[in-house]
Amino acid sequence: SQQGEEDPQALSIQEGENATMNCSYKTSINNLQWYRQNSGRGLVHLILIRSNEREKHSGRLRVTLDTSKKSSSLLITASRAADTASYFCATDAGNTDKLIFGTGTRLQVFP
Amino acid sequence: EPEVTQTPSHQVTQMGQEVILRCVPISNHLYFYWYRQILGQKVEFLVSFYNNEISEKSEIFDDQFSVERPDGSNFTLKIRSTKLEDSAMYFCASSATGPYGYTFGSGTRLTVV
Repeated sequence: SQQGEEDPQALSIQEGENATMNCSYKTSINNLQWYRQNSGRGLVHLILIRSNEREKHSGRLRVTLDTSKKSSSLLITASRAADTASYFCATDAGNTDKLIFGTGTRLQVFP
Repeated sequence: EPEVTQTPSHQVTQMGQEVILRCVPISNHLYFYWYRQILGQKVEFLVSFYNNEISEKSEIFDDQFSVERPDGSNFTLKIRSTKLEDSAMYFCASSATGPYGYTFGSGTRLTVV
């Protein structure tokens, strides 16, 4: 698979449920970020986790990073209809400053 | 909160025409980027720009593409002769610290007909 593969590709849940999205990558990283994109709109930065961190929280978001498995997960707790969006992980690419994005997970939260 | 501004939000152009996509980065940022997202696909890196020159470009960024910072505030992406496959959402981003603090603009949707 390519750098930044995410699963599931699509996820549908009811409001109040938790949503978990996973991201796998192939090369060593310095940090991993999660972005949100509402349909046809821009990318909004959610959270960054560095390679020496294992878990990070921000509000209803919880991100984990397992560098041994080259994977990360994004958990959104107590989801709301307004959380409906696509979620992308993005990794840095070694000594460059570009980001490599994953394929994204489309989250649909039903009221 | 400071934001990256992109104009236009949507541009339709005929194949073979030149287009210029405009971006106003956050004023104290030093690193500038263009990414694109073909409909339904992942966001792809095009080019990074620092200290008035390209610092990195992808294989997508061929001779048809160019970037410029014509004054102290704008950052532009020019596509010299558009092709149908250039149809995509183009995102500008800027950062004060390289890859750790990107702010993306809301994008320009380019449609080549």
